[in-house]
Amino acid sequence: DIVLTQSPGTLSLSPGERVTLSCRASQSVGSSYLAWYQQRPGQAPRVLIYGASTRATGIPDRFSGSGSGTDFTLTIRRLEPEDFAVYYCQQYGLSPITFGQGTRLEIK
Amino acid sequence: QVQLQESGPGLVKPSETLSLTCTVSGGSITSYYWSWIRQAPGKGLEWIGYINHSGISNFNPSLKSRLTMPIDTSRNQFSLMLSSVSTADTAVYYCARFYYDSSGYSFDSWGQGTLVTVSS
Repeated sequence: DIVLTQSPGTLSLSPGERVTLSCRASQSVGSSYLAWYQQRPGQAPRVLIYGASTRATGIPDRFSGSGSGTDFTLTIRRLEPEDFAVYYCQQYGLSPITFGQGTRLEIK
Repeated sequence: QVQLQESGPGLVKPSETLSLTCTVSGGSITSYYWSWIRQAPGKGLEWIGYINHSGISNFNPSLKSRLTMPIDTSRNQFSLMLSSVSTADTAVYYCARFYYDSSGYSFDSWGQGTLVTVSS
């Protein structure tokens, strides 16, 4: 199985700050097969980015994704209060589909 | 906008079979793949498997021996049946659409999730 390791585990930041989250894969993942999700407490995850860098429908442009091979990043340009949540990366380069363990964004 | 809704018992006894159904509205189940994903309390996401309208499926090897995933195109529903459950199967179970286009793949639409507790 491809293991996705997200870092850091938890981040404490203030609204308005810029943040970059990391997702590292144990094997190379094709760019088409890497997605990022946001999960707020008590809610289902929602897709932010797929194909490593394509924003999903309705996602603000302050969210951006990049990377290839084994290293991928999600950047949030200016944190809004509603962005404080848990973020997961997910791969479909090799079955089974796997998710990272998540990065929690907390308000400082 | 496609919508998904899980339904089924919230409590299952150990060694019995967990059964959930996902009803899809606002779109046809004959397009794309349809998936189950679960999340144990306070934990991360675990993919269970997916299926399409032709019955083409792919399951997580860690669960495959206990899994059945029927699909009913006439009702726009697909289901999850997980046999011989234990307390380790206690989780929120989500159904989701596995979407793909020229840019890539993602779970783009999700149900609200349903908590299933395995307990005697």
